[in-house]
This record gives sequence, structure tokens and C-alpha cells, in this order.
Amino acid sequence: SQQGEEDPQALSIQEGENATMNCSYKTSINNLQWYRQNSGRGLVHLILIRSNEREKHSGRLRVTLDTSKKSSSLLITASRAADTASYFCATETPETSGSRLTFGEGTQLTVNP
Amino acid sequence: GAVVSQHPSRVICKSGTSVKIECRSLDFQATTMFWYRQFPKQSLMLMATSNEGSKATYEQGVEKDKFLINHASLTLSTLTVTSAHPEDSSFYICSANRGHNTQYFGPGTRLTVL
Repeated sequence: SQQGEEDPQALSIQEGENATMNCSYKTSINNLQWYRQNSGRGLVHLILIRSNEREKHSGRLRVTLDTSKKSSSLLITASRAADTASYFCATETPETSGSRLTFGEGTQLTVNP
Repeated sequence: GAVVSQHPSRVICKSGTSVKIECRSLDFQATTMFWYRQFPKQSLMLMATSNEGSKATYEQGVEKDKFLINHASLTLSTLTVTSAHPEDSSFYICSANRGHNTQYFGPGTRLTVL
């Protein structure tokens, strides 16, 4: 079963705007990861945030983690048409081994030129 | 960055046939690989964890006799969909664990069963 729930399910914005996607989860985690998937392709790892971290940056990406609310957000600043893709959060929990991940439902982001 | 390949990228087969999908880690050794299934506009569902040199661990509800997994080497895992039926049509994605909590994903295999 999917641990993560993401909202919105779909997001459409104009180029240059910021895009924020949220992810909620149910159990304790070791870390939370965000992935990107272009249509019909595999997943690309974007960023990992550990349970003892609150915020992380990577280029135009900013991820926050609130373990008390069991939620995370991914912010893409100054979006580009090439950012159009599906974005998934995935959690690794203490109960799993070997980096087993549980994926959220995903957010389909469309950036209009 | 680490590269994981899958072969074939796309396969169409008749109902009742078996299909083998290969997942290779090209520039690192992976003791653990994962197989996921993704239906259109849905998320990835973990099917099984493939462990080199031992039996795969299947998720609840996944038939191990239907989806045969072999992890014969540190760079290759195979998933065989036996006696495929139209409901098995899906996007199958593998990933390889390189450690450091990061999985590297293959490009996926689109299976269509007629």
C-alpha cells in the first residue's frame, strides 16, 4: 500500500512561477526522497532529506520536512517548461531494509511556456 | 551518475506467453534490486525485492509463481512474467540500490499483452 499521499494531484502553472507540491505520510521514517518522472520514463532522484533535517536545497529545488506533521513539501522556483513531469515522494522507514521505498501517489506538474 | 538499464524497453506479446525483462546496473554492483509496476497515471507499486544469491522477497498480493525473479549476479536481475494476460499489461520499472539510501531507476519496460 502507498504510505504517501501527495497534493495536489495535478498542478498547472506558467513558466517563471513557483510550484509547490506536498507529501504526507503515516509512519516514522528514516528519510524522505523526491523523484521526478517524465512521461513513460524511469525515475530520476532529485533530493533526499533525512528525518533529522528540516530543510534542504538543491539548485532551484527546496525541500522541507516536518516530522511532527508527517509531511514534506517540494518547491521548484522559477519553473521552466522542461520541469513538466510527475513528481513523487518516497519514504524509507525503520521497519524496512535495504533502502526499500514506499511511493506517494504523485503530482503531475505542467509548466506552460 | 549511476546507470541502470532495462531490456527490452517495449514488448508486445500474446496472451499465455512468458516475457523476460532484464535489469542491469552498468557501472556498479547491486546486491539488492527492486521491481515495481506502474499503471497509467498511477504511482509505483513495489512488487518484490531481488537479492543477489538468494530468493526474492515478494510484496503482499504479488504471486511469486507468476512473477519469477532471478538475481544471478551483482549486476543483473531478471523478471519473468509467466503466462501473461492482458491485465498484466503495465509499465515495469527496476531499481538498483547503490547504498547511501539512494536507488537508481531503470528507464522502464512497457509490456502490452494482447
